[in-house]
Amino acid sequence: NAGVTQTPKFRVLKTGQSMTLLCAQDMNHEYMYWYRQDPGMGLRLIHYSVGEGTTAKGEVPDGYNVSRLKKQNFLLGLESAAPSQTSVYFCASSASGRVYNEQFFGPGTRLTVL
Amino acid sequence: AQSVTQLGSHVSVSEGALVLLRCNYSSSVPPYLFWYVQYPNQGLQLLLKYTTGATLVKGINGFEAEFKKSETSFHLTKPSAHMSDAAEYFCAVNRGGYSTLTFGKGTMLLVSP
Repeated sequence: NAGVTQTPKFRVLKTGQSMTLLCAQDMNHEYMYWYRQDPGMGLRLIHYSVGEGTTAKGEVPDGYNVSRLKKQNFLLGLESAAPSQTSVYFCASSASGRVYNEQFFGPGTRLTVL
Repeated sequence: AQSVTQLGSHVSVSEGALVLLRCNYSSSVPPYLFWYVQYPNQGLQLLLKYTTGATLVKGINGFEAEFKKSETSFHLTKPSAHMSDAAEYFCAVNRGGYSTLTFGKGTMLLVSP
């Protein structure tokens, strides 16, 4: 099993450009999450999904949109990138909504917005 | 609201020394507590977790943590540090409801020979 994979690994955008980050998991997990990691800030939840076709906002959702059309995929979109969105983005998944379930993380996408 | 405070953004130890990484939490619901580790240029992986039951929790790679409700703490320890333990460590608490977590800001563990 590949676990959680993220595409691309690196990306450089200019201000105002758009892009989509893809997360895929092969563990048949119900729950998926998008986080951003910034130095000294830890991980902050952007959006999450509790199942195919459902999404919800996390702590820092502004400027991002998500979609979960297939159970195994969770897409994160930036419609008009801003320098403040320069960050490392992590996707994670977990088996169910039980709060003690482990979250499995992907390797991350490093995004730079110029 | 649930929150986590990790004391010390960087902790330096010598190889073979005790590792102690501090985590205090605030939670309005019974807490579930986690420690994750992030090695350079990788995603996070679970070290250990406390849900219910035994307050001393053992994890991978020789790490353990003790849940102390009276002190609202969940400190991570390892008796003897290895060079391979150098990484960033994150404490997290459940936010209630769905399985979303609130992470601390992380502590970078530096291990010197």
